[in-house]
This record gives sequence, structure tokens and C-alpha cells, in this order.
Amino acid sequence: GAVVSQHPSRVICKSGTSVKIECRSLDFQATTMFWYRQFPKQSLMLMATSNEGSKATYEQGVEKDKFLINHASLTLSTLTVTSAHPEDSSFYICSARLGSSNQPQHFGDGTRLSIL
Amino acid sequence: AQSVAQPEDQVNVAEGNPLTVKCTYSVSGNPYLFWYVQYPNRGLQFLLKYITGDNLVKGSYGFEAEFNKSQTSFHLKKPSALVSDSALYFCAAATANFNKFYFGSGTKLNVKP
Repeated sequence: GAVVSQHPSRVICKSGTSVKIECRSLDFQATTMFWYRQFPKQSLMLMATSNEGSKATYEQGVEKDKFLINHASLTLSTLTVTSAHPEDSSFYICSARLGSSNQPQHFGDGTRLSIL
Repeated sequence: AQSVAQPEDQVNVAEGNPLTVKCTYSVSGNPYLFWYVQYPNRGLQFLLKYITGDNLVKGSYGFEAEFNKSQTSFHLKKPSALVSDSALYFCAAATANFNKFYFGSGTKLNVKP
């Protein structure tokens, strides 16, 4: 149980395009979803927290207009990287949690984004 | 500030030997503590958690961790390491007051045959 599906697994696109990444909880309803960014050989950096039906809460230093998050249902959250540039290239990982903070987050397999 | 520390960037053990991956935390209130494992180009897989109760918690793949409140530690252990245990391990903490996880910097575990 507690499977989180993240799609696509890899994206390569030209600078200036927008890229949408989907995160789905397949067998549970996620009240909260999280989006992380991971640089090579580093830990996860939390970008934003999203609760279904409300605006996402962004961490300090993360541009809201650059990284658009939509959490339209209890099983789907999307991250759109708008007008992507090479410095946005990274590994993006989503996670979903059912219930309160004493519950584990369940992670997707990540999306490798490469901007040329 | 809330934080989680994993003092070792890398741990090397021989297959069959016991392993320990260290984690200490600085979190206000009663912490919820978690261990995750990450394989290359994959997301994180949940191993185990401590919420309350018995200080020794058992998780997936034969891993266990011991919560030590006085030392504010939550070290991950396994009695006999396997080569397939080689991966990146993350410790994380949360509390009832905080909606998000605080992750450690990760420890790369190398198990050699």
C-alpha cells in the first residue's frame, strides 16, 4: 500500500519551455503533498507543501511564479516549471502523506529534468 | 532552528558485519523520527519510524533503529549487512507542530562483498 506515482520519470527540453510533473497517490487519499528538489549528492530541499483545495505554501527562496503547484484533488498534485532554464535542471521528487505529521511521507520515484 | 544531523557522509562495512548509520536531531517538542533509503535515480523508500513507545523500532529489510532521548539520537542499525543494502540513507524528523519533515544530509552506505 501507500504507492505514489510520479510522471514523467525523465524530461529533456529546450530552454524557455514549461514542464508539468504529476504526482499521484494511487491507493490512498493524500491530505498533504510535498515537492522537493535534490541536487547531486545532496539532501532533499523542500520547495513547497500543498494541501488539497488550498494554495501551496512555498519555502523561503522558492519562486511561486516559477514553480506553480496545483493540488486539485486528494490524489493528484502537479508541479509546473514555467519558462525553464538550464539552472532549473535537477531531480524533483514529490511525496504524499495521509493524515497528520506522525505519518510517514511516501515518495514518488522522482523526475529528472534536463533543460538544454 | 529545527535540524537533523547525519555526521557521516559515508559508511563502509563488509558484508555480514553489523552496520550503524548515525542520526541526531534538534527538534522542539516530542519528535517523530523516520528513516528512508534511496537507490540511484529513485525516490525515497520508507524504512521505519518512531512515534512513541518502545525505543527500539523494527522496520523493513531487517533494519532497526533505537531512539535515545537523552542523546537525541536515532541511529539506524542492522545486525548483518548485505551488498544490496548499499544505498543512500536519510534520517528525518517532524513534530505535531510542524507539517514538514526536516531531513538529514544523507549517508551513503557501501557494503563490500
